[in-house]
Amino acid sequence: EAQVTQNPRYLITVTGKKLTVTCSQNMNHEYMSWYRQDPGLGLRQIYYSMNVEVTDKGDVPEGYKVSRKEKRNFPLILESPSPNQTSLYFCASSPTSVGEQFFGPGTRLTVL
Amino acid sequence: QQQVKQSPQSLIVQKGGISIINCAYENTAFDYFPWYQQFPGKGPALLIAIRPDVSEKKEGRFTISFNKSAKQFSLHIMDSQPGDSATYFCAADQTGANNLFFGTGTRLTVIP
Repeated sequence: EAQVTQNPRYLITVTGKKLTVTCSQNMNHEYMSWYRQDPGLGLRQIYYSMNVEVTDKGDVPEGYKVSRKEKRNFPLILESPSPNQTSLYFCASSPTSVGEQFFGPGTRLTVL
Repeated sequence: QQQVKQSPQSLIVQKGGISIINCAYENTAFDYFPWYQQFPGKGPALLIAIRPDVSEKKEGRFTISFNKSAKQFSLHIMDSQPGDSATYFCAADQTGANNLFFGTGTRLTVIP
């Protein structure tokens, strides 16, 4: 089944404790992105990747890191999480730079 | 600054009625306008999309109306059904920009 998977789905952590949210797609898509969804703000892009080893900042990159060492994986790293990073995070992939994006099921992160 | 403005924030419609959600944008370089549907606990999924070279696109009960001069576009759901109850996001993208800008979302409730 063609899909984007994220792990974990739920995570509660404390301020400053490094964490990684994994994202994997099995559709051989070149483009991948991370978004955060907050009430009243919609979805905002954090980082995107156009191919292996090629990444760039989106609208809200502060406090986040990404890497793209393999085409199928695009992990999101929070080196020192803070409470304002409490949010619902989505990974997405796309075969083209403009067009349908396929979203994962989301990761709900709470930073205490 | 919100690149895409969406209204209303919430909408309640009787079964069989027409649901209308509106969006507006400022950046005339946007050339792809999708609508995403999101059910609770799920990631957004593409519902329908339009390019600015056409003024209307219809897929089943869902229609996008696009007004390039007014920089507005809207989603019409005909014969609304309880199964349409979800959050709808409009979005805008620009070829080569690698950044999909979302509206703030509309929570639609269709009452049986």
